[in-house]
Amino acid sequence: DAGVIQSPRHEVTEMGQEVTLRCKPISGHNSLFWYRQTMMRGLELLIYFNNNVPIDDSGMPEDRFSAKMPNASFSTLKIQPSEPRDSAVYFCASSQGTGNTIYFGEGSWLTVV
Amino acid sequence: GENVEQHPSTLSVQEGDSAVIKCTYSDSASNYFPWYKQELGKRPQLIIDIRSNVGEKKDQRIAVTLNKTAKHFSLHITETQPEDSAVYFCAASSGEASKIIFGSGTRLSIRP
Repeated sequence: DAGVIQSPRHEVTEMGQEVTLRCKPISGHNSLFWYRQTMMRGLELLIYFNNNVPIDDSGMPEDRFSAKMPNASFSTLKIQPSEPRDSAVYFCASSQGTGNTIYFGEGSWLTVV
Repeated sequence: GENVEQHPSTLSVQEGDSAVIKCTYSDSASNYFPWYKQELGKRPQLIIDIRSNVGEKKDQRIAVTLNKTAKHFSLHITETQPEDSAVYFCAASSGEASKIIFGSGTRLSIRP
């Protein structure tokens, strides 16, 4: 299995631009998570889906952030408009069932200048 | 919601000595406790996990203990080696909620 696949791996964008991060979970996994990692705040859970349905988005920092999961094999995290404080590593992760091991993608390294 | 606290934030040990990292959690319904290791520039990767029906679990040089009454769990690494240097994260999950919350991480350095 290829594992969780994220794109882009690295992105540098200007403040105000729209950013779209993409994720393909491991085949057969029905839970998908988006985390943000920074030095100051560690690994923060932004949102997670179960069977393509958003279950908890309480970690989404503000309305500039949105996430979708149109099918079992694809999810997006969008930031519009982006700000310098959004610079971070964004990890997507997936798991099979509830309360089980989650597997991380390699992350999308976002820099907003 | 669940809150996970992790200590210490940094830890330096002599090669060959043991390292212990401790975590506490707030949600008594949490029943799954994984530990992840993250090397510089890499993704977090699971190294060991424990469920609430077990008090201790070992895998070679790594062990995890769980005290449900006190709501704390610990990672023990024995005979530390240079490749153990990394950031370690504890986490807790309530199975029903399927939501895994991470501690703030411990940067472990192994001195040669």
